[in-house]
Amino acid sequence: KAGVTQTPRYLIKTRGQQVTLSCSPISGHRSVSWYQQTPGQGLQFLFEYFSETQRNKGNFPGRFSGRQFSNSRSEMNVSTLELGDSALYLCASRKDRGLLNEQFFGPGTRLTVL
Amino acid sequence: GQSLEQPSEVTAVEGAIVQINCTYQTSGFYGLSWYQQHDGGAPTFLSYNALDGLEETGRFSSFLSRSDSYGYLLLQELQMKDSASYFCAVRGGSQGNLIFGKGTKLSVKP
Repeated sequence: KAGVTQTPRYLIKTRGQQVTLSCSPISGHRSVSWYQQTPGQGLQFLFEYFSETQRNKGNFPGRFSGRQFSNSRSEMNVSTLELGDSALYLCASRKDRGLLNEQFFGPGTRLTVL
Repeated sequence: GQSLEQPSEVTAVEGAIVQINCTYQTSGFYGLSWYQQHDGGAPTFLSYNALDGLEETGRFSSFLSRSDSYGYLLLQELQMKDSASYFCAVRGGSQGNLIFGKGTKLSVKP
């Protein structure tokens, strides 16, 4: 069974640009969550999608958005990039809802904002 | 607000037992999870406690006491490959979102 895949793996952008990251969950998994990881703030929850609907959202500004498609694939978008958005963005999938239940992480997308 | 406290670093020797504590403060509590992350890798789910008591999975066990707002991860028969960062995560607050501790870096020495 293939694991969670994320594309691209690395990305360099400049301030003010926007970026879209993609996540393909494990086959059969309907829930996708997104996280931001930085050395300073650690691991922070961005949002969770289930059945194409956002079910939970962390404490991030509206510049961070996401969506989920009917095949459970998910994208997240960050508009008007800031230097502080440089981070590892992780997505994770699980079979059903439940933020505390077992979830499987992808390798992450390393975003650098210059 | 919500907060989680866990030690920043722990060192132990191979074959020993180590306990990583996590205390939390949150309004509304749904449960506590633990994750392992090796340097340069993605987090791996270890365990989930919704109710008080001990959950055992192989060499790893996790404990929760809701009355004390406290949990711990117990690692037995430590191996070199257990050297990693360990995060506790709590789901709570008015929106039931997930928050993570800053992580505990475990170093296992020979």
